[in-house]
Amino acid sequence: TQLLEQSPQFLSIQEGENLTVYCNSSSVFSSLQWYRQEPGEGPVLLVTVVTGGEVKKLKRLTFQFGDARKDSSLHITAAQPGDTGLYLCAGDRNDMRFGAGTRLTVKP
Amino acid sequence: NAGVTQTPKFQVLKTGQSMTLQCAQDMNHEYMSWYRQDPGMGLRLIHYSVGAGITDQGEVPNGYNVSRSTTEDFPLRLLSAAPSQTSVYFCASSYSLPGQNYNEQFFGPGTRLTVL
Repeated sequence: TQLLEQSPQFLSIQEGENLTVYCNSSSVFSSLQWYRQEPGEGPVLLVTVVTGGEVKKLKRLTFQFGDARKDSSLHITAAQPGDTGLYLCAGDRNDMRFGAGTRLTVKP
Repeated sequence: NAGVTQTPKFQVLKTGQSMTLQCAQDMNHEYMSWYRQDPGMGLRLIHYSVGAGITDQGEVPNGYNVSRSTTEDFPLRLLSAAPSQTSVYFCASSYSLPGQNYNEQFFGPGTRLTVL
């Protein structure tokens, strides 16, 4: 059982659609990070959230940390083919624990 | 800056063989980590180091050794390879700014290891 559960596992949408992916846990984290990974490459950090209820925006991406610091969501507005990739969340509890990821495909 | 570099990019071993995966960073980061990534499992922490001369175990340390003699290098040694160690291995280095209670991680491109 993963400490961090991500859903959905796979998501395939058309360009221009909106989407939300979720990262849930029963554990409390001091911070939570989102990464994007492309095939054959290492993950790249997108954002770190540290305060319960915090919302951060990165262009068309909106990240939210749950009030209890146990969960997070990533919302993408008007998805583009360049958003295609594996999205990973990772929570810090003195060591970094990763979810299994959401594989997003955006079709033109 | 080259960032985090890993060698080799691909490796095939036979069961029982030993090898070292190399990792180097040129960003003067104190914190370095090794992860393995398996389908449906995400990344799992193998070992990490908070500075030269200091290492500690992560979530899945068995079968792996590390050392940190310099800030730049953090090699991962497989003592006697097993098929269960077939995976993609990522090295990461990280830093935190003063007053910041989290690290910003930078990952290398990975080593794809197959153990037959």
